[in-house]
Amino acid sequence: GESVGLHLPTLSVQEGDNSIINCAYSNSASDYFIWYKQESGKGPQFIIDIRSNMDKRQGQRVTVLLNKTVKHLSLQIAATQPGDSAVYFCAETYTGGFKTIFGAGTRLFVKA
Amino acid sequence: KAGVTQTPRYLIKTRGQQVTLSCSPISGHRSVSWYQQTPGQGLQFLFEYFSETQRNKGNFPGRFSGRQFSNSRSEMNVSTLELGDSALYLCASSRMASGGAGRETQYFGPGTRLLVL
Repeated sequence: GESVGLHLPTLSVQEGDNSIINCAYSNSASDYFIWYKQESGKGPQFIIDIRSNMDKRQGQRVTVLLNKTVKHLSLQIAATQPGDSAVYFCAETYTGGFKTIFGAGTRLFVKA
Repeated sequence: KAGVTQTPRYLIKTRGQQVTLSCSPISGHRSVSWYQQTPGQGLQFLFEYFSETQRNKGNFPGRFSGRQFSNSRSEMNVSTLELGDSALYLCASSRMASGGAGRETQYFGPGTRLLVL
């Protein structure tokens, strides 16, 4: 079935280190990708997005990389902080699809 | 600007009952999507509405239905509840000012946690 998967379900990093969360997507027609952060008891929160005509996009402390050749997406978080501890989801959609497919999620633990 | 609101936040029902969940999108947002989140299946797309029309539907049985009103508020209904329907139901809205292409950023509400006993 449709899927956007993650290589690492759990990631533990030291405070101050950089974090990299990976994601593989399956639909070659997907042209818009989003990373969400979900904290306990809350709905997913938008972090950063990227369209398929780009291969890199930077935000504040976050960078998303897109490799369409191998259908791979990654989220890099610089200088990870305890407040970054959460579950991170990658998601994909495509023009005219009107639905978003989410990956399974990666739980990020930040050790102080 | 107020965020997406969902009511109720928590709900306990028994098997066989039905339930209606409500979602109020961000002001000016015309697209509303619903998702089911469970530990085993993750975030699963239920359906998407724009201007009172359902534009896409996920792989859920007919017991799951929804609708959108002219003010963009949306409701979803689950009939004949089963134990497996216990989940966090999330609503998300996006602007889709011109009908959109299905690629606009979604903003999520806090969810309604449904427990079926």
